[in-house]
Amino acid sequence: SQKIEQNSEALNIQEGKTATLTCNYTNYSPAYLQWYRQDPGRGPVFLLLIRENEKEKRKERLKVTFDTTLKQSLFHITASQPADSATYLCALETGMDSSYKLIFGSGTRLLVRP
Amino acid sequence: GAGVSQTPSNKVTEKGKYVELRCDPISGHTALYWYRQSLGQGPEFLIYFQGTGAADDSGLPNDRFFAVRPEGSVSTLKIQRTERGDSAVYLCASSLAPARAGGPQETQYFGPGTRLLVL
Repeated sequence: SQKIEQNSEALNIQEGKTATLTCNYTNYSPAYLQWYRQDPGRGPVFLLLIRENEKEKRKERLKVTFDTTLKQSLFHITASQPADSATYLCALETGMDSSYKLIFGSGTRLLVRP
Repeated sequence: GAGVSQTPSNKVTEKGKYVELRCDPISGHTALYWYRQSLGQGPEFLIYFQGTGAADDSGLPNDRFFAVRPEGSVSTLKIQRTERGDSAVYLCASSLAPARAGGPQETQYFGPGTRLLVL
C-alpha cells in the first residue's frame, strides 16, 4: 500500500544546532515533494518544493534533499531558533491524476530549546 | 483579502445535525481544495475544484459530505447527519490554475481551518 512516513516522535534540539527531519514514502512515484510548517491552531504554510529531477533545494536556513532511489526526503534547518518550533509536514503530489492533490505525512514536531 | 479565510473558526453541533463550512480563497485562484485533519495527523484530501466544477471528489468519505463552488470563488462544504467521527479540523486551500500542461502545480495556500466538534 502507499504510505508516507515521518517520525512521530518529537525532535528536541538545542538552539543553534541543525534540525534534520525525515520523510519516507513507499509505492509512490512523486512528481515532486513539498514541505510545510504548521503551528498550533493554524493551517499549513508552504516552505519548499523539490522536483523529482532535483537533488537539493535551499532557501535561507532551509535545505531539502530528495532521493528518489531511497524514496526519501530530508529537511534541514540550520542555526535553529526557538521560533522554528512547530510541526513540519511533508506532502507528495503524484501528478498522476487531474487534481494534483497533496498527500500528507503525519508530521514531525520540532522543539528548539533556547 | 490577503489570504484564504474560513468561517466559522469553530463549530460545535449535535450528532445528526447539518453543518456548512465556508471557504473564501485568495482572489484569482481558480483551484480550491478541501482537506480534513484529525489530531496528530496530516491533512487528508477531500475534494478539489477547478473553477466551478469538482474535478476530483474521491476523498469525500461518504454521501453525507458534499461541496459546492457555484461561482468559482467561495466554496461551501456541507455535512449532513453529522456523526461524532466527523469531528476534525476542516482545511481549505487555494492555488492558481495548474501551471503549464505537464508542469508542476502552483503552491497551495491554506486557510486557518474550521474546528468542527460533533457532540
